[in-house]
Amino acid sequence: AQTVTQSQPEMSVQEAETVTLSCTYDTSENNYYLFWYKQPPSRQMILVIRQEAYKQQNATENRFSVNFQKAAKSFSLKISDSQLGDTAMYFCAFMKPPSGNTPLVFGKGTRLSVIA
Amino acid sequence: EAQVTQNPRYLITVTGKKLTVTCSQNMNHEYMSWYRQDPGLGLRQIYYSMNVEVTDKGDVPEGYKVSRKEKRNFPLILESPSPNQTSLYFCASSLWVGGDGYTFGSGTRLTVV
Repeated sequence: AQTVTQSQPEMSVQEAETVTLSCTYDTSENNYYLFWYKQPPSRQMILVIRQEAYKQQNATENRFSVNFQKAAKSFSLKISDSQLGDTAMYFCAFMKPPSGNTPLVFGKGTRLSVIA
Repeated sequence: EAQVTQNPRYLITVTGKKLTVTCSQNMNHEYMSWYRQDPGLGLRQIYYSMNVEVTDKGDVPEGYKVSRKEKRNFPLILESPSPNQTSLYFCASSLWVGGDGYTFGSGTRLTVV
């Protein structure tokens, strides 16, 4: 079974600075998908960024980028120019290729606080 | 607007009183799933459905039931709620063949007293 580990329960960063959230996972699959979801105080789960394992290039979405290291099974999220609105819980998630049940397997989350 | 609609947003109930949390999606997604979120545990899958009349258990199915009579709806039923089912619940849907991740509902905060 796949597992996802987020080793930082809480982090804080000054506004406008850069922060990196860590995520490691364990799988025997060669092809899969990785995601970062943001959960602000509103509770809504918002997709931040996704990465397909067969793609070498790291995904980027505006101020959000990932460092995907397939061999190391590592998938960290970098937030540049942090803003107060980035304060949220961040979940790393794994999904194997669609075949039967393809649940998103989540880490336990990292609570990020952006400080003015 | 493409979305997953969950109701109610908040619910307080007493032990043993049957309740249903509704979930509906307007994206024609085949795959739907229920998760519960608890502090320090992340999100865990309760049940899932790959299409109409096809449902199966996830990781934490005890005490829950689901049904999928129509493609768009996937209600979560608690026949006899207990305090350990106090949690934040999410319904989610996705295209089965895609790797786009899930679209989530806005969550239901359930308290069982």
